[in-house]
Amino acid sequence: KAGVTQTPRYLIKTRGQQVTLSCSPISGHRSVSWYQQTPGQGLQFLFEYFSETQRNKGNFPGRFSGRQFSNSRSEMNVSTLELGDSALYLCASSFSPLLENNSPLHFGNGTRLTVT
Amino acid sequence: EDKVVQSPLSLVVHEGDTVTLNCSYEVTNFRSLLWYKQEKKAPTFLFMLTSSGIEKKSGRLSSILDKKELFSILNITATQTGDSAIYLCAVEARVETSGSRLTFGEGTQLTVNP
Repeated sequence: KAGVTQTPRYLIKTRGQQVTLSCSPISGHRSVSWYQQTPGQGLQFLFEYFSETQRNKGNFPGRFSGRQFSNSRSEMNVSTLELGDSALYLCASSFSPLLENNSPLHFGNGTRLTVT
Repeated sequence: EDKVVQSPLSLVVHEGDTVTLNCSYEVTNFRSLLWYKQEKKAPTFLFMLTSSGIEKKSGRLSSILDKKELFSILNITATQTGDSAIYLCAVEARVETSGSRLTFGEGTQLTVNP
């Protein structure tokens, strides 16, 4: 069974640009959640999608948005990039909604975004 | 605001040593606490703890939760170089409207030297 796949692996953008990251969950998983990981802040929850609906959102500005498609694949978009957005962006999938039914998260390898 | 604090932030030991990693939390509507191991990129799931005082074990790793004192520990016995990783603690809290949110600690960087 293929794991969670994130593309691209690496991305370099300049301030003010926008970026779209993609996440394909494990087959059969309907929940996809996104996280930002930086050395100073650790791993922070961005949002979760289940069956194409956003269920939860972390404390991030509106420049961070996402969506989920009918095949459960998810995209995350960041507009008007800032230097502080440089981070590893991880997505995780699970069969049930986030952690319900003791359903653990399976993480992808992440997209390393560098904003210059 | 939910808060998860891990200690120590980094730890260097020799193979064969036993280590104890700590995670304390302050969250509203606590639901569960999770431990992950992150080696290169993707964190891998270790344990989910929901009840106080019940130890979960997997090989040389074990973990326990204290919901009264709001902390958890992760023990690794007879450490090996392959245990070198960042160990992340996360707390799940129920959201009022629906679903859950996760708050992660900064992680403990464990280095096991031969």
